[in-house]
Amino acid sequence: QQQVKQSPQSLIVQKGGISIINCAYENTAFDYFPWYQQFPGKGPALLIAIRPDVSEKKEGRFTISFNKSAKQFSLHIMDSQPGDSATYFCAASMVDSSYKLIFGSGTRLLVRP
Amino acid sequence: DAGVTQSPTHLIKTRGQHVTLRCSPISGHKSVSWYQQVLGQGPQFIFQYYEKEERGRGNFPDRFSARQFPNYSSELNVNALLLGDSALYLCASSRGRAGETQYFGPGTRLLVL
Repeated sequence: QQQVKQSPQSLIVQKGGISIINCAYENTAFDYFPWYQQFPGKGPALLIAIRPDVSEKKEGRFTISFNKSAKQFSLHIMDSQPGDSATYFCAASMVDSSYKLIFGSGTRLLVRP
Repeated sequence: DAGVTQSPTHLIKTRGQHVTLRCSPISGHKSVSWYQQVLGQGPQFIFQYYEKEERGRGNFPDRFSARQFPNYSSELNVNALLLGDSALYLCASSRGRAGETQYFGPGTRLLVL
C-alpha cells in the first residue's frame, strides 16, 4: 500500500513533442505529490509538486494532472527539449505527519533533436 | 546559498568494512533525511533526523545508523558492508520535520567489492 507505481520505464520523444509520465498510488493518506528530475551523477531536483485539493498545476512547460478518485497523477512536459533528457521520479508522502518520500521507479526520458 | 553538500563523492570499500558518509544541509535547515538509490531504481528512505533526534527509520537493517550534530550536519554509518550496499546514498535537507520541500545533495557513490 506504500508503493507508487510509475510508467513508462523509458520514453523517447522528438524535440517539440509532449512527454507524458504516469504514476499511481494506493494509500489514500498521501497528500503531497512531487516530481523530481535527476541528471546522471546528480541528486534529484524538485521540478513541481501538487496537493490533492487541485486537479492541475502548471509551471512553465511542466504540468501535473491529478485524479484523486483514480489515485493517479501524471507529468506532462510540453515542447520537450533535448535538455529535458533525464530520469524523472514521481513521489508521494503524507505531508503533515510524515517525513519520508515514497518514490516511483523512475522514467528515463530521451528527447531527440 | 550553498545547496546540500555530501562527502565523499565516491568511495570504494570491500565486504565487511564499514563506511561513514557525511552531509551538510542547506543553511537554516534543521532536518536531514538519508536515502539509498540502487542503480535503475528510485531512492529508498533510510532515516530522518530533526533537531538531532531520529524521527523516522525505513526498512533497513541495524547495520545502518546515523546521527545529527548540533550544527545540523549528519553522518550515515554502514557496518559490515555487503555487495548489495553498493548504491548512491543521497542526503536531503528541509526546514522542518514534515510538510516541507526536501532538497537533495549530489550523493555519495559507494561501491562494495
